[in-house]
Amino acid sequence: GQQLNQSPQSMFIQEGEDVSMNCTSSSIFNTWLWYKQDPGEGPVLLIALYKAGELTSNGRLTAQFGITRKDSFLNISASIPSDVGIYFCAGRGSSNTGKLIFGQGTTLQVKP
Amino acid sequence: GAGVSQSPSNKVTEKGKDVELRCDPISGHTALYWYRQSLGQGLEFLIYFQGNSAPDKSGLPSDRFSAERTGGSVSTLTIQRTQQEDSAVYLCASSTRDRYYEQYFGPGTRLTVT
Repeated sequence: GQQLNQSPQSMFIQEGEDVSMNCTSSSIFNTWLWYKQDPGEGPVLLIALYKAGELTSNGRLTAQFGITRKDSFLNISASIPSDVGIYFCAGRGSSNTGKLIFGQGTTLQVKP
Repeated sequence: GAGVSQSPSNKVTEKGKDVELRCDPISGHTALYWYRQSLGQGLEFLIYFQGNSAPDKSGLPSDRFSAERTGGSVSTLTIQRTQQEDSAVYLCASSTRDRYYEQYFGPGTRLTVT
């Protein structure tokens, strides 16, 4: 089945630093999404990407849908303590379904 | 407006017992999804309801798992004869029909099977 490989698995950075994480797939996805999950909460949608090459920003967050449609990255600029959490990528395949495939997550810790 | 709500927030049950988990989607959302998240893992798709269409059950791990959605709104996920490996956080999400890939999640139910 379809799988997503997300890296890095975890990051420990200093406040103010920029962060980059990415997701790759062995198959093509038509939609890429990035979610953030805080402890004890459900994931919250950060950015949705709908076509190859698309670059979208949401405040300090920027995400891109890879040209090959098999990868995506998320950048966070000037990190702050509230950026702490687990970031998940998710993709939707070519079938007409809302079923999402999730990556394993990147745990981000920010040192003030 | 109100987001997706789930109940109970925590459930501890003995191995072999049946459990029911409830999800109330965002009002007006026609699509509803169940996912499972094991400790330190990503989300695993279980089942997807879209309006009156037959649900996509392709992610249910065994026939002990079932779900229904009554009146196109509230959904119940049932796990029969629970096993220790069923311990996980069960997350529900909902979305609109036309943007069904933008899913909004509830806080989850943490299930512990002892």
